[in-house]
Amino acid sequence: DIQMAQSPSSLSASVGDRVSITCRTSQSISSLLNWYQQRPGKAPKLLIYAASILQSGVPSRFNGGGSGTDFTLTISSLQPEDFATYYCQQTYSTPYTFGQGTNLEIK
Amino acid sequence: QVLLEQSGAEVKKPGASVKVSCKASGYSFSTFDINWVRQAPGQGLEWMGRLNPNSGNTDLAQKFQDRVTMTSNAAISTAYMELTNLASEDTAMYYCARDKYGATEPWGQGTLVTVSS
Repeated sequence: DIQMAQSPSSLSASVGDRVSITCRTSQSISSLLNWYQQRPGKAPKLLIYAASILQSGVPSRFNGGGSGTDFTLTISSLQPEDFATYYCQQTYSTPYTFGQGTNLEIK
Repeated sequence: QVLLEQSGAEVKKPGASVKVSCKASGYSFSTFDINWVRQAPGQGLEWMGRLNPNSGNTDLAQKFQDRVTMTSNAAISTAYMELTNLASEDTAMYYCARDKYGATEPWGQGTLVTVSS
């Protein structure tokens, strides 16, 4: 199985800040990585697929990058609704493993 | 509008089975895989497996291969996930999600399965 190392596990930031979350995989996955946002009590929502493609309807302040084994999700200017938990997931080979999650909290 | 609507919450005793349904609307059901993901209370996301509604083929995570069956009924655009021999560790929210060429969206609203004696 492909192992996922997502960091940080938690992050405190303020509205307007720029933040980045990283995801490292145990082997190369090309660009087959998704990023999700999950708010409390809600289903995950796809933000980015194929490492850098913004899902329709997702604000442009979300940006994904990377390939191979190292990936980054950047939020350019945090808005109040962005405080949530974020997960990466590889879709290169099954089982489609997830990162451990990053809890983004208001400072 | 593409939607996945899941069945309601379930409470089961240890050793029992549960079958969760996921009804799709707004697209051609047989065209895209359905993934199943679960989330234990306060924990992260765990991929369980995927179903190809057209062929009926499934690809299950190893830990679920003995206990999970994924099926579908194309006539009613519904996918099912059955988990047998339930234990307390299976208490979780279970989600279905469409996989459109690697873009896993939308997700169902989730079905809470509680296992308690």
